[in-house]
Amino acid sequence: QQPVQSPQAVILREGEDAVINCSSSKALYSVHWYRQKHGEAPVFLMILLKGGEQKGHDKISASFNEKKQQSSLYLTASQLSYSGTYFCGTGGYAGGTSYGKLTFGQGTILTVHP
Amino acid sequence: DTGVSQDPRHKITKRGQNVTFRCDPISEHNRLYWYRQTLGQGPEFLTYFQNEAQLEKSRLLSDRFSAERPKGSFSTLEIQRTEQGDSAMYLCASSLDSRMNTEAFFGQGTRLTVV
Repeated sequence: QQPVQSPQAVILREGEDAVINCSSSKALYSVHWYRQKHGEAPVFLMILLKGGEQKGHDKISASFNEKKQQSSLYLTASQLSYSGTYFCGTGGYAGGTSYGKLTFGQGTILTVHP
Repeated sequence: DTGVSQDPRHKITKRGQNVTFRCDPISEHNRLYWYRQTLGQGPEFLTYFQNEAQLEKSRLLSDRFSAERPKGSFSTLEIQRTEQGDSAMYLCASSLDSRMNTEAFFGQGTRLTVV
């Protein structure tokens, strides 16, 4: 099943913060976050693995809550370059061999205004 | 090596024609994936390869679709007897062995328009 992202769209002013959530009805093993700008390829942001870890670089971080089967992406002090569509992709896991494929959410459109 | 490359970037074809797309992954990556993306949606998994072996194919993929990765390097995706519903962006991605859960890098995609 496709993970559900919320909100569907966010409008920010430069410097504001945002949180994007990704929820799954199935047990999560890994969550991959991507950003895609119009007409371009999705760009990898970060990957989180089962275990509740939190990762981040620069002003973008993410958390993984295994019990809630949810991951959240945190964007702080947003910049104009953060505008784009954010996708979470969930990876499967079975019997010690993880699936290669990702199942993506429907995306969250983030717009940052000056 | 500058990343995953796909060719062509755009393809317009008449309904019923066959089309073939090519993907060149990052050279040391042994996993290669094909996804399809329609407007306003996330990428949808089609199939993936570990080296030259096709390990999984989506049930959504009809028999008109076939993919190959003959030498474990580049891959081709062929769509036979195209239909208007096949119009979409076809994305290729590659990664190292996914058991390590490494990131997948996407190419720019091939935008297919069936008229």
